[in-house]
Amino acid sequence: TQLLEQSPQFLSIQEGENLTVYCNSSSVFSSLQWYRQEPGEGPVLLVTVVTGGEVKKLKRLTFQFGDARKDSSLHITAAQPGDTGLYLCAGGFGYALNFGKGTSLLVTP
Amino acid sequence: GAVVSQHPSWVICKSGTSVKIECRSLDFQATTMFWYRQFPKQSLMLMATSNEGSKATYEQGVEKDKFLINHASLTLSTLTVTSAHPEDSSFYICSAPNFDHEQFFGPGTRLTVL
Repeated sequence: TQLLEQSPQFLSIQEGENLTVYCNSSSVFSSLQWYRQEPGEGPVLLVTVVTGGEVKKLKRLTFQFGDARKDSSLHITAAQPGDTGLYLCAGGFGYALNFGKGTSLLVTP
Repeated sequence: GAVVSQHPSWVICKSGTSVKIECRSLDFQATTMFWYRQFPKQSLMLMATSNEGSKATYEQGVEKDKFLINHASLTLSTLTVTSAHPEDSSFYICSAPNFDHEQFFGPGTRLTVL
């Protein structure tokens, strides 16, 4: 059973478009993290959200944690080819992490 | 930020041989490290939790005797794939958490078993 459901699984957009990736669960997490992974490399931590309703911004990326701490979203404004990669959300129970299946994003010039 | 290294970055071996992969936390100590495997275009699947000074905890379906884990020090965990077979070919990634429970991942090891 996948604890975290991510949608969409695949997304192909043109440079300059906006997009939103969703991460949903029936479980409550103490924290939720977003990672970006490029082929052949390990995931790189983008952000950690802890408080229900929290919103964090990282340049053109906006992360939101649901009020009930069961879901999160990642919004990218004016996507660029450099944003291409696999975006993973992960929910934490203490040290252990459960990963969603990921959203594979392709941004074409 | 915290840095985690893995060695080797890639390895090709013959079926039946054993392969050891190292995971090091370079600038922080980690009493716990995690080992994941990832198949192409799929997410990370947690294999086991490596605990310094005690036995590793394996996820359901992961063979303990096949994937030997040793957490030798506060900065080093090793994963040994014993008697590797082609179906063990995968991308193996380790991670270590900091005090804020944020996970930092190694760059991964690509294992190909011929």
